[in-house]
Amino acid sequence: KQEVTQIPAALSVPEGENLVLNCSFTDSAIYNLQWFRQDPGKGLTSLLLIQSSQREQTSGRLNASLDKSSGRSTLYIAASQPGDSATYLCAVSANSKLTFGKGITLSVRP
Amino acid sequence: NAGVTQTPKFQVLKTGQSMTLQCAQDMNHNSMYWYRQDPGMGLRLIYYSASEGTTDKGEVPNGYNVSRLNKREFSLRLESAAPSQTSVYFCASNLLQGARSPLHFGNGTRLTVT
Repeated sequence: KQEVTQIPAALSVPEGENLVLNCSFTDSAIYNLQWFRQDPGKGLTSLLLIQSSQREQTSGRLNASLDKSSGRSTLYIAASQPGDSATYLCAVSANSKLTFGKGITLSVRP
Repeated sequence: NAGVTQTPKFQVLKTGQSMTLQCAQDMNHNSMYWYRQDPGMGLRLIYYSASEGTTDKGEVPNGYNVSRLNKREFSLRLESAAPSQTSVYFCASNLLQGARSPLHFGNGTRLTVT
């Protein structure tokens, strides 16, 4: 059974810092990996989707990487801003099923 | 663009009552999903519909039923609500089944069963 882990559960950083959020998964036979953002009281918003054949995807200040062999993905946020404060979840797709991590709650201090 | 719309936003039920959660998407997506999100448990799939006319069980289907009314609409029914069904329910959709394309989520229904 696929398990997705995101550690730590919470992170607080000062504004302007570059940061990395980690995601690990146990079964490397994945189809793709997605990173989502969830604001309090809201649904999830898809940030980046990396196909299994890709190594990374970029969108603005966000860069997600995928290393299938080691079962790891990272979400890099450059020059963090208070508006980046949210919960970030990763999810891996395998056998038509999507398995979510429990998320990392990020707080960016002004 | 509306995206994925869920109604109601909040609901309080007594044990044993029934209700239907509504979901509609305007993105012409083929696949639709119902998840529940609980503290410490993360997101768990209840039911999904890979395409119009089909539905399948997810990880936690007990106590729920679904209907894919048409391509746009996918409803979730609780026939006899239990306190264990207190949760936040999210509907999601995507173009290609099996999460092969990005998932789009609604803003959720916060359900409390007393």
